[in-house]
Amino acid sequence: QKEVEQDPGPLSVPEGAIVSLNCTYSNSAFQYFMWYRQYSRKGPELLMYTYSSGNKEDGRFTAQVDKSSKYISLFIRDSQPSDSATYLCAPAAGNKLTFGGGTRVLVKP
Amino acid sequence: DTAVSQTPKYLVTQMGNDKSIKCEQNLGHDTMYWYKQDSKKFLKIMFSYNNKELIINETVPNRFSPKSPDKAHLNLHINSLELGDSAVYFCASSLTGTGFPGELFFGEGSRLTVL
Repeated sequence: QKEVEQDPGPLSVPEGAIVSLNCTYSNSAFQYFMWYRQYSRKGPELLMYTYSSGNKEDGRFTAQVDKSSKYISLFIRDSQPSDSATYLCAPAAGNKLTFGGGTRVLVKP
Repeated sequence: DTAVSQTPKYLVTQMGNDKSIKCEQNLGHDTMYWYKQDSKKFLKIMFSYNNKELIINETVPNRFSPKSPDKAHLNLHINSLELGDSAVYFCASSLTGTGFPGELFFGEGSRLTVL
């Protein structure tokens, strides 16, 4: 079993829909929880992060962490075709990130 | 201005050959990384250097040898290439000491194909 699990998708939604992504993890030492976005043939870029349990909102994006169930979520409201990418969760313990395999999202116009 | 640049972007080579990938960052960061992304998109850390000092060395075959001549450069040399080495190799950098471990800046990747 991998330390961080994500459904690989693809997750296909119509423009304007809410996209719901999630990860599960096994390491209780994770304290920071990052979401990276990776466009095709590009390097990942940090989208947002949360520290410990709780919610964080940034524009159309909301990240949630439930440490008791070791569950991480990312919601994208009013999705746009430009949101089509692979989304990787990356929890961290100390200075080391552990990436999930990513979920590929396709937003159709 | 490219923040983290890697060369070459594409390598196609035969099994048994040796190849190198170079990375440079102009962000003033003190930590650099090599990650390997396989065909299933899993991104796995291989090495990390902080101010030219190796701080993370994951379970990687010793055919892979990183070298950091200064804190703005991190190179990766691979000896005796095998089919399983085919992947995209990403260089990344970050600034430590801020209390937040997570903002890595990635290059665009070097796609290695071993035939």
